[in-house]
Amino acid sequence: SQTIHQWPATLVQPVGSPLSLECTVEGTSNPNLYWYRQAAGRGLQLLFYSVGIGQISSEVPQNLSASRPQDRQFILSSKKLLLSDSGFYLCAWSRVPANVLTFGAGSRLTVL
Amino acid sequence: KNEVEQSPQNLTAQEGEFITINCSYSVGISALHWLQQHPGGGIVSLFMLSSGKKKHGRLIATINIQEKHSSLHITASHPRDSAVYICAVGSGGSNYKLTFGKGTLLTVNP
Repeated sequence: SQTIHQWPATLVQPVGSPLSLECTVEGTSNPNLYWYRQAAGRGLQLLFYSVGIGQISSEVPQNLSASRPQDRQFILSSKKLLLSDSGFYLCAWSRVPANVLTFGAGSRLTVL
Repeated sequence: KNEVEQSPQNLTAQEGEFITINCSYSVGISALHWLQQHPGGGIVSLFMLSSGKKKHGRLIATINIQEKHSSLHITASHPRDSAVYICAVGSGGSNYKLTFGKGTLLTVNP
């Protein structure tokens, strides 16, 4: 069976510090991978998606970046966090683009 | 861009009641997803449907493509059903993207 792991679960970071959130999927190959953000009072927003190693598409301009160094690994990064980066970040995968999404447990980021 | 509206925003029910959550969207889609988000934040996919009706246990999801509307029903609601229910619509073929509603907060009291 397939599983998705996301970490860390919670982090508090000062403004201007770097960020690295990691997501890995087990039990499948060549998954479509997604990073979403859920800000307070707002719906889920797609940040990045990837259909293969090294292939990253960005949905919104921001100071975040994503990388996919291995087939089942998806990393969300920032060199310098802003207050507005606070939120709940979710990694997800699907077999093909138009298919059921499976979400990780999420990472709650607070930037102070 | 697709606009996704959910109603109600908040819903409180007594255990055993029949629950209906509605979702409307503005542009034609490939599929519609219903998701459940528990208080801890984890999200589970409940249904993905493009026509008709799907049933899983006490949950039923329907979609009317012509009216651009979907409903999620919960029969014999239970306190463990308390969660945020999120509707998302997808379109774009190979460039498939999801647009999410803001969610409906359901509280079922014993």
